[in-house]
Amino acid sequence: QQPVQSPQAVILREGEDAVINCSSSKALYSVHWYRQKHGEAPVFLMILLKGGEQKGHDKISASFNEKKQQSSLYLTASQLSYSGTYFCGTREGAQKLVFGQGTRLTINP
Amino acid sequence: DTAVSQTPKYLVTQMGNDKSIKCEQNLGHDTMYWYKQDSKKFLKIMFSYNNKELIINETVPNRFSPKSPDKAHLNLHINSLELGDSAVYFCASSKTGIDSGANVLTFGAGSRLTVL
Repeated sequence: QQPVQSPQAVILREGEDAVINCSSSKALYSVHWYRQKHGEAPVFLMILLKGGEQKGHDKISASFNEKKQQSSLYLTASQLSYSGTYFCGTREGAQKLVFGQGTRLTINP
Repeated sequence: DTAVSQTPKYLVTQMGNDKSIKCEQNLGHDTMYWYKQDSKKFLKIMFSYNNKELIINETVPNRFSPKSPDKAHLNLHINSLELGDSAVYFCASSKTGIDSGANVLTFGAGSRLTVL
């Protein structure tokens, strides 16, 4: 069963912050985050493997709450280059990565 | 050097025709995947091969047949194309393992299939 992302779409002005949530009805063992720019392939951002883990690079970070079966992606002081659709992915079995429905992020100047 | 390459990038064809998409990766990964992305951007896994062995076969019509001649190549053949097959098909690859870098997907650029 696919994870559920919220919100479905976000429109921001450059410099504003955003939070994208990903939740699952099943136990989560890891959470992947990917970004897909328009007309391009999804690109890996980060993976969280343990409950309580937080990661980040540049001004994009994520947290993983294993007990609540959810993860959040934080985009701070957003830049135009952050525009795209963000997907969380959760593992079902050893090799199957199931994606959420995506969150479309639009950054305006 | 492209890590995961797919051909062709675009296919436009009539209903009822057969088409193939090819994928190659030079990352040394041992697992390859086909994902379908529909017009609503939903990314749905179709198939996965690990070292040429089919390990994931989702509920996909029999008209779709994947083939992996070796662990660096994965092809997708679609028979009797239907309007609903129109989508972007992404090939991806990953390495198997338990370390933090394992199972991270590297996607190809996608093949946009339009069935008229």
